[in-house]
Amino acid sequence: DGGITQSPKYLFRKEGQNVTLSCEQNLNHDAMYWYRQDPGQGLRLIYYSQIVNDFQKGDIAEGYSVSREKKESFPLTVTSAQKNPTAFYLCASSAKRGTEAFFGQGTRLTVV
Amino acid sequence: AQSVTQLDSQVPVFEEAPVELRCNYSSSVSVYLFWYVQYPNQGLQLLLKYLSGSTLVKGINGFEAEFNKSQTSFHLRKPSVHISDTAEYFCAVRGSNFGNEKLTFGTGTRLTIIP
Repeated sequence: DGGITQSPKYLFRKEGQNVTLSCEQNLNHDAMYWYRQDPGQGLRLIYYSQIVNDFQKGDIAEGYSVSREKKESFPLTVTSAQKNPTAFYLCASSAKRGTEAFFGQGTRLTVV
Repeated sequence: AQSVTQLDSQVPVFEEAPVELRCNYSSSVSVYLFWYVQYPNQGLQLLLKYLSGSTLVKGINGFEAEFNKSQTSFHLRKPSVHISDTAEYFCAVRGSNFGNEKLTFGTGTRLTIIP
């Protein structure tokens, strides 16, 4: 089955630790995205990538980093510089000349 | 730059009644418009999309939306809702020019169906 896989579904980390969220897609999509979701704030774009080895900051990139070494993978690292990392993180992808984005099932990160 | 406004954060509706969820956008270029639905602790699922052509678009689960360029709106409607429609709904916009892949979302509308 083609789709987007985010792992793990739930993640717990201690404050001050970096943590990496995984996102893999087998849809052969060129563009990939990371969104953060908080109650009442909708989805806010963290980073997006339109092609391998290139990515752009979204609206709330501070405290996050990404890489795009392979077309199918777009991992997100939440660093200790992110002040409020506890949130629901969603990964998505879309075809280069396509239209809609397809979403993974999300990772809920809790920092204690 | 582009943005999306969903004015209603919560909409309660009685079962089998009609519903309209409002969405307004702003963009300096022509746009593609989308409605997504999210069930608790899940990802987003596409309901429908407007790319070009007919301004009335039909989607899954009996939903439809109308694109109004002059009012920069893309309101979502359903003539008769069911309990299973309880979810959060997001409107999103993307520029239609080639190379513009940035997808911007509204803050969402929580639809609650009252039995």
